[in-house]
Order: sequence, then structure tokens, then C-alpha cells
Amino acid sequence: DVKVTQSSRYLVKRTGEKVFLECVQDMDHENMFWYRQDPGLGLRLIYFSYDVKMKEKGDIPEGYSVSREKKERFSLILESASTNQTSMYLCASSALPQSYEQYFGPGTRLTVT
Amino acid sequence: GDSVTQMEGPVTLSEEAFLTINCTYTATGYPSLFWYVQYPGEGLQLLLKATKADDKGSNKGFEATYRKETTSFHLEKGSVQVSDSAVYFCALYNNAGNMLTFGGGTRLMVKP
Repeated sequence: DVKVTQSSRYLVKRTGEKVFLECVQDMDHENMFWYRQDPGLGLRLIYFSYDVKMKEKGDIPEGYSVSREKKERFSLILESASTNQTSMYLCASSALPQSYEQYFGPGTRLTVT
Repeated sequence: GDSVTQMEGPVTLSEEAFLTINCTYTATGYPSLFWYVQYPGEGLQLLLKATKADDKGSNKGFEATYRKETTSFHLEKGSVQVSDSAVYFCALYNNAGNMLTFGGGTRLMVKP
């Protein structure tokens, strides 16, 4: 059974802190994605990666960075957390070439106070 | 750019009622269309898909038909159950962009 895991289900951080969100997939997928989910806005793509050490900006990359040192792990980094980054963060992975069939993790609900 | 518009929720139904969740899209070319479902406390799961015009996707009693003339992909189920309570997302995939574009999501609540 395919599996995408995220390091935390709930996280509370203070404004200005550096935040790391980790995602691991066990399906040997090439593509990995980070989204944020906000009510009424659906899912918006932050960054994605199609290979180790490769990354591409999504629709809303400002204030975020990513790291992909190993194929199975994709990290989202908030360099200096702000209250407007309070959100649900979802990680996903997919196999080439049909990257539309994405497998999602359970999400991390981040609150920045 | 591409966009997906869904009816706003929540949609509240009684068990065994008929369900329709509307979805329309704007895209260049010939996108593939999807419905994803998010059960409480879980990530999204692919529910069904249609890759070309007039295709019907179906799964778990849910259906949606790719209507190019009306740029729509409405989700339907003949008889909903309490266990169908979830958030449903319509999405499109455009080969040109190699990314999924999601709608805002529609929360469905089914009461016994």
C-alpha cells in the first residue's frame, strides 16, 4: 500500500521561527509536491520537485524554500514564520509521467502565533 | 491561466439523498479532469478521473462526465451514505503546465 508520511500532524510555532516540515514517501516516486490548503481557496502549490536536488516554484513560493537531498524525502522550510503562514500543509508524490495521480500525506496543521 | 470553480459548501443531505456537486473549469487545450476526496483527518485521495471529452469516471457509486461543450465535470451519486461525509475537490491537469489545479473544495455532510 502506498504511503506518504508527514513528520507532524499539528505544529505551533512563534513568529520569526524557522520551521521545517518533513515528508517521506515509500513508493520510489520521482515527483514530490508541497501544497497549502486554506478554506475556500482549495490547494495551492508552493513548490515541487521532479528529481533529487531539483525544485520548481509553484503558484505561491514566497516565504518558503524546499530541500530534496534524497528521492524519498522532501522538506518544506519556512525561513521566518509569519502569522499568514498559518495553514494546513499537504505533501504529495507521483510517478512520472502521469503526475496527475498524486498520493497525499495526512497534512500538517501549522499555527504561527 | 487554468482555473477550477466549485459550488460553495457545505452541502448537507440526508442519507440516501441524491448528490450533485458542480464543477466548471477554464483551461487551454485538452485537460484531464479529476475528483479528489478528503475524509476527516486524512490526506486527499483520487476518487475518479476522465481524460477526454465525454468520458465518464466512476468509483464507489460516484460518477462524473467530462463535458467539453459546457466545460463541466459535475460529481453525482444516487444515494449518499453518512460515510461519504468529506471534502470533495475538483481538479484539472494540463499537460502544458504539468501541474494539478484544484478548485476550492466542497464540504459534504450527510446526516442519518
